[in-house]
Amino acid sequence: GQSLEQPSEVTAVEGAIVQINCTYQTSGFYGLSWYQQHDGGAPTFLSYNALDGLEETGRFSSFLSRSDSYGYLLLQELQMKDSASYFCAVRPTGGFKTIFGAGTRLFVKA
Amino acid sequence: DAGVIQSPRHEVTEMGQEVTLRCKPISGHDYLFWYRQTMMRGLELLIYFNNNVPIDDSGMPEDRFSAKMPNASFSTLKIQPSEPRDSAVYFCASSFHRGQNTEAFFGQGTRLTVV
Repeated sequence: GQSLEQPSEVTAVEGAIVQINCTYQTSGFYGLSWYQQHDGGAPTFLSYNALDGLEETGRFSSFLSRSDSYGYLLLQELQMKDSASYFCAVRPTGGFKTIFGAGTRLFVKA
Repeated sequence: DAGVIQSPRHEVTEMGQEVTLRCKPISGHDYLFWYRQTMMRGLELLIYFNNNVPIDDSGMPEDRFSAKMPNASFSTLKIQPSEPRDSAVYFCASSFHRGQNTEAFFGQGTRLTVV
């Protein structure tokens, strides 16, 4: 089977850097995705790592290490608007069934 | 494009009633997904379609749930009869898959309350 583990909550200060980790157990997958969801809103795509290494998109970066079954989302120069839930997700090989982690709720304090 | 459009945004219904949720995917997208989100179970994939054909419905919880996609621009998720435990936010998402591109675009969801 497949499962993804994320911390349930993270708190950080405005302007700081925060890392949200995701560990997974899956027999094979195409890549690791990250989504952001504000309260009452829809999940929105942030990033995708098909290969090991770091992908950077503005203030957000995402990392994948298949050998360690581990990935993370790095948010820099935190802003209040970054307060949201963040989900890691994988698509197991052989189909298009994306599996989401339980999500990490990020609280950004002034 | 206006994005994925779902209706209604909110639905309150009595137990035993039939509920129909609607979704219009982004034009040109070839995959459509129905998800359910609850505090207890997170985001669960119920069913997905490729080119209007249901591919995997293993996430549909019971026979009370059914989904259709009569054409490329419309899909429905029906619950009959509805039960209080079906209360959740239901999301429709669509995507255009070429290679490993996996970005899914979600609608704003339908918040269903069954009383």
